[in-house]
Amino acid sequence: ILNVEQSPQSLHVQEGDSTNFTCSFPSSNFYALHWYRWETAKSPEALFVMTLNGDEKKKGRISATLNTKEGYSYLYIKGSQPEDSATYLCALDRQSGNTGKLIFGQGTTLQVKP
Amino acid sequence: NAGVTQTPKFRILKIGQSMTLQCTQDMNHNYMYWYRQDPGMGLKLIYYSVGAGITDKGEVPNGYNVSRSTTEDFPLRLELAAPSQTSVYFCASTYGQGPYNEQFFGPGTRLTVL
Repeated sequence: ILNVEQSPQSLHVQEGDSTNFTCSFPSSNFYALHWYRWETAKSPEALFVMTLNGDEKKKGRISATLNTKEGYSYLYIKGSQPEDSATYLCALDRQSGNTGKLIFGQGTTLQVKP
Repeated sequence: NAGVTQTPKFRILKIGQSMTLQCTQDMNHNYMYWYRQDPGMGLKLIYYSVGAGITDKGEVPNGYNVSRSTTEDFPLRLELAAPSQTSVYFCASTYGQGPYNEQFFGPGTRLTVL
């Protein structure tokens, strides 16, 4: 069974705190790793897509790193703001038959208190 | 572009009833997907399509059917609704070429089966 695991499941931080969460995945047949941001009552939106070992991507205060050899990715948020409150999903693309299918983790729900 | 649109937004069904969830995208994407989201479980793939006339099962296809007669539309059919199908359903699409295939999600359909 192929599992994409995210930890922690939920996180509560104060405004201004920096935080990070983990996505773990099987390293075999790796093609790409996606991160999505999912606000309550909205639909998931892509943050990053990473393909290369050692890749690092940044968008404002949010950044992500990728280690394909050991099978993990970290998402960092610097100086969390209440508007960062959302569920963050990672998803693995194993290029199974060129279908674009993704295997999603269960998500990390972040709550930032003002 | 409207992106990915889904109708209806909400629906309550009685056990045994049938319905079709509509999904349309105007981005000329080849690949389309149906997911269901259950609490604490992330997104599970129901069915997917890599082009008009081509569909295939995902991880949790039982109780559902799909068709893809055009590039734009990918309806999901529930034939005999069961309480286990109470969930939020998301449709997504992507162009499909190369590894940087972020998926674009619709706003979701919240379905309750009583």
